[in-house]
Amino acid sequence: GQSLEQPSEVTAVEGAIVQINCTYQTSGFYGLSWYQQHDGGAPTFLSYNALDGLEETGRFSSFLSRSDSYGYLLLQELQMKDSASYFCAVRGSNDYKLSFGAGTTVTVRA
Amino acid sequence: EAGVAQSPRYKIIEKRQSVAFWCNPISGHATLYWYQQILGQGPKLLIQFQNNGVVDDSQLPKDRFSAERLKGVDSTLKIQPAKLEDSAVYLCASSLDGLSYEQYFGPGTRLTVT
Repeated sequence: GQSLEQPSEVTAVEGAIVQINCTYQTSGFYGLSWYQQHDGGAPTFLSYNALDGLEETGRFSSFLSRSDSYGYLLLQELQMKDSASYFCAVRGSNDYKLSFGAGTTVTVRA
Repeated sequence: EAGVAQSPRYKIIEKRQSVAFWCNPISGHATLYWYQQILGQGPKLLIQFQNNGVVDDSQLPKDRFSAERLKGVDSTLKIQPAKLEDSAVYLCASSLDGLSYEQYFGPGTRLTVT
């Protein structure tokens, strides 16, 4: 099975940088995904890491260290619209299913 | 490109009643997923279809939940009879195939069981 841990809440001001850590335990690892979900909305895909290292997409970057079973999502130049829940999700190597963490609620203050 | 469509958006029922949710995935997507998201938690996979066949339903409470995907396109998820603990958002997602790492989610159906 899979288990994931991420902080429950993070608060930051506009323009700041936020890092959301995700540690996981899994019986078989294929990749780590990140999804954003605004309150009442659908989860939307942000990034995917299958190999160690940093993936950058605009203001968002995602990092993976498979040896440490650890990843993070970095949100830069925070904007009010970034207030949302962010989920890490592990993809199992046996069945390719996504197992989600409980989510981190990011609140951006003016 | 149209996204994943779901209906209804909201549903309130009493316990022991039945309810059905409908999902229309993105055109051309072979894989369809149903997730349950309880308030404050991440989505939990209930069932995965590849075309019209079930790939994984290991976390589907089969004594009360059922799902089908006729003709490999639309899908319905049914709960009968509902329990209080079924109160959640039911999310449908689709992807090109089972190996695609990006899943596209619909807006969900918020179910309240009283």
